[in-house]
Amino acid sequence: DAKTTQPTSMDCAEGRAANLPCNHSTISGNEYVYWYRQIHSQGPQYIIHGLKNNETNEMASLIITEDRKSSTLILPHATLRDTAVYYCIVKGSGNTGKLIFGQGTTLQVKP
Amino acid sequence: GAVVSQHPSWVICKSGTSVKIECRSLDFQATTMFWYRQFPKQSLMLMATSNEGSKATYEQGVEKDKFLINHASLTLSTLTVTSAHPEDSSFYICSAHPSGGTETQYFGPGTRLLVL
Repeated sequence: DAKTTQPTSMDCAEGRAANLPCNHSTISGNEYVYWYRQIHSQGPQYIIHGLKNNETNEMASLIITEDRKSSTLILPHATLRDTAVYYCIVKGSGNTGKLIFGQGTTLQVKP
Repeated sequence: GAVVSQHPSWVICKSGTSVKIECRSLDFQATTMFWYRQFPKQSLMLMATSNEGSKATYEQGVEKDKFLINHASLTLSTLTVTSAHPEDSSFYICSAHPSGGTETQYFGPGTRLLVL
């Protein structure tokens, strides 16, 4: 599975959009981009995933560049409860695809 | 939907004893479940892949005789930490991959183990 690179930490003002970048320049054609987040002392929470098209759900939007070498997770209106570690993970398809976690981005939403 | 539970949520045990942690998928069947360990201020580390009805596959460096995994049904996987020592104190988290083609894994809330 391809490796990802994320900034170590980011700040965001409450109510503003949080844009979290991720580089995955070695991604293969059949690998998905997944985003999870982990609030302190809890299990990771699934946010969104995509293959090549942009995706949106009730939590966030995922923008994947045309060459698929990078992506951005957008939380449109960040709240204090969005403070967490956000993990960008690239995974192959199928049940055997393991999620390998990097260090993630610690997002601090400030009042 | 897609809820995964773990039991217990926290456990304290004496050094040398064994501890069993359960991971259940509550509203879906999971052919494959995964076990992770997380030390303070670190990321999740994959320990093993648990497949229903077959032996677990362990990641490099994880002792299979120390961390016994059983996946006896499509909704339950167990991790037993045998002869626990203080260095086994950690946050243990499971995830479940729904059977039937969906690409998403769902995580349990974690079990905090403290070995005295």
